[in-house]
Amino acid sequence: DAGVIQSPRHEVTEMGQEVTLRCKPISGHDYLFWYRQTMMRGLELLIYFNNNVPIDDSGMPEDRFSAKMPNASFSTLKIQPSEPRDSAVYFCASSTGPRYNEQFFGPGTRLTVL
Amino acid sequence: AQSVSQHNHHVILSEAASLELGCNYSYGGTVNLFWYVQYPGQHLQLLLKYFSGDPLVKGIKGFEAEFIKSKFSFNLRKPSVQWSDTAEYFCAVTRGGSARQLTFGSGTQLTVLP
Repeated sequence: DAGVIQSPRHEVTEMGQEVTLRCKPISGHDYLFWYRQTMMRGLELLIYFNNNVPIDDSGMPEDRFSAKMPNASFSTLKIQPSEPRDSAVYFCASSTGPRYNEQFFGPGTRLTVL
Repeated sequence: AQSVSQHNHHVILSEAASLELGCNYSYGGTVNLFWYVQYPGQHLQLLLKYFSGDPLVKGIKGFEAEFIKSKFSFNLRKPSVQWSDTAEYFCAVTRGGSARQLTFGSGTQLTVLP
């Protein structure tokens, strides 16, 4: 299995630009999570989906952030417009089964907003 | 709100030394507990987890953790560390009910000197 796939691995953009991060979960996993990692705030959940439906988006910072999961094998996290404080590593993770099952993390996307 | 505390931000040890990393959580209900590791430049990987039964949990690479409910703790241990254990270690919790999201501690950077 290829594991969780994220693209791009690195993104450098200028303030005000739209950024789209992509994630392909492990086949058969019905839960998908987006996390953000920063020095100041550590690892924090942004949103998660079950069977393509958003379950909890309380961690999404503000309206500039949106996430979609149009099908079981693809999700996007969009930031529009981007700001320097959005610079972070964004991780996607997927899981299935009981809630104590492991979440498998992707390699992350390192976003730098200039 | 649920929180997870890792009091050691940076630990430096020599090879063969014993390791104990602290983790405390604030939620009083049923919890599932995890330790994840992030090697330099890599994604998060599960070391071990607790969800029920024996409170002493053994994980990969010789790591173990003990769940002490009365102390709200889930400390990570390894009797003899190796240089390859240099990484950042995250304690994480999911609480009871239907919640799936992981709440992470701030992480502990472990540096093992050869």
